[in-house]
Amino acid sequence: AQKVTQAQTEISVVEKEDVTLDCVYETRDTTYYLFWYKQPPSGELVFLIRRNSFDEQNEISGRYSWNFQKSTSSFNFTITASQVVDSAVYFCALSAIMMDSSYKLIFGSGTRLLVRP
Amino acid sequence: DVKVTQSSRYLVKRTGEKVFLECVQDMDHENMFWYRQDPGLGLRLIYFSYDVKMKEKGDIPEGYSVSREKKERFSLILESASTNQTSMYLCASSYKTGTSLSSYNSPLHFGNGTRLTVT
Repeated sequence: AQKVTQAQTEISVVEKEDVTLDCVYETRDTTYYLFWYKQPPSGELVFLIRRNSFDEQNEISGRYSWNFQKSTSSFNFTITASQVVDSAVYFCALSAIMMDSSYKLIFGSGTRLLVRP
Repeated sequence: DVKVTQSSRYLVKRTGEKVFLECVQDMDHENMFWYRQDPGLGLRLIYFSYDVKMKEKGDIPEGYSVSREKKERFSLILESASTNQTSMYLCASSYKTGTSLSSYNSPLHFGNGTRLTVT
C-alpha cells in the first residue's frame, strides 16, 4: 500500500533553532516522486521541492535542506536558523503510478511548525 | 506565476442545499483537482480532471460531483450538503507532461481554499 507518515503533529521551536520535519513513505513502486509543500496561515499550499526515486542526492536551498534516504524510506526536511515566517503546516507527499496505470498523489497528515520569536 | 483562484474564501450553507465551489486557473494547465483538508487527515482527493469534460473519482467522491466545461474552470458540486461536508476545500492544477499518466511528477499549484461550513 502507498502511504506517507508524518509522525510529528506539531513542533514548536524558538527562532534561530534548527528543526527537522520527518517524512516516511511506503511504496512498492521503483519509480515515484516525493514532494514537500508549505501551507502558511493564508491557506494556499506552496510547492517547495520534488525529488524522484532515482535521485538520492540531498538538496539545499538557502535555509532549507532535504535528506532523501531510500534505505529508510525517508524524505526529511530541515530548516536551519528558523524564522517566524517559517511557521506553517508542512506536507510531505508521494506520487506513484498505481497498478491500473492511474497515478495518485498521497499526502501525509502534515506537521504544524510554530516558530516563536 | 500560476494563479489558482477559488471564488469564495468562506461559505456557510444549510443542510440539504446544493453548493457550488468554483475554481479557475490561468496557466492553461490540463490537470485540475479538488481536495478536502481535515485536521489529522491531511488532504484527500475528491475528484480530478485531465481534460475538458473529463473527470475521474478520487478517494472520497461520495456526495460530490464535478464539472469541467472549460479548460480553466473546474467546479465542485455538493448535491445536497451535509454537516459532515464541513471542511476546507482546496483546488489545484498542474501541467501535463506527455500523456496524462506521466503527469504524476508535476507539482500542484493550489488555490487558497474555501472554508465551507454546513449547518
